Amino acid sequence: EVQLVESGGGLVQPGGSLRLSCAASGFTFSTYWMHWVRQAPGKGLVWVSRIKSDGSSISYADSVRGRFTISRDNAKNTLDLQMNSLRAEDTAVYYCARGYSQYAVYFDYWGQGTLVTVSS
Amino acid sequence: QSALTQPRSVSGSPGQSVTISCTGTSSDVGGYNYVSWYQHHPGKAPKLMIYDVNKWPSGVPDRFSGSKSGNTASLTISGLQADDEGDYYCCSYVGTYSPLVFGGGTKLTVL
Repeated sequence: EVQLVESGGGLVQPGGSLRLSCAASGFTFSTYWMHWVRQAPGKGLVWVSRIKSDGSSISYADSVRGRFTISRDNAKNTLDLQMNSLRAEDTAVYYCARGYSQYAVYFDYWGQGTLVTVSS
Repeated sequence: QSALTQPRSVSGSPGQSVTISCTGTSSDVGGYNYVSWYQHHPGKAPKLMIYDVNKWPSGVPDRFSGSKSGNTASLTISGLQADDEGDYYCCSYVGTYSPLVFGGGTKLTVL
């Protein structure tokens, strides 16, 4: 069974940093694109970042580029999101999601999410 | 990149059909056939319903269908059922630099 479990969320002050992790199991992690998607309270889904199976290709949404860094450890089956210079508008539930089949642009399995709150 | 435009809400009675639109530009929806649709029940993980504009992942019933005309993609749900109720999001590829954008989401109510 495919499982994605996010961790690392919490309350952080504006300008602070936080590192999210996603532990993957039930599939060959090293062969899939992985993504981060977020949802602010009462708002819609917003794509954040993606990383290719071997880490050779990385993309970010304009709103987080230069502040967030996605990475993966295929030996440990983990996906990370390092978030720096956090702003109030980064407050959201952050989901990790697996790319669908060989596609880099769709997601088939999602975690339950971890809440990040940026507030003083 | 601005979010794609979806109606905030749609509704229908059991057995009826509803269509949810997703309007973008020639730089996203109109420029690529990489449009997908997700069903999201609050508190649960989103579910891929349609990809490549009109293809079904395994396990998705063919009551759900996708199409595209110009800069607007559409999701049609026929034979509405109570558990179809939830939020629906479209998503489109927009290029290599910042490749994906979602729509604002549509709340489907089954009356």
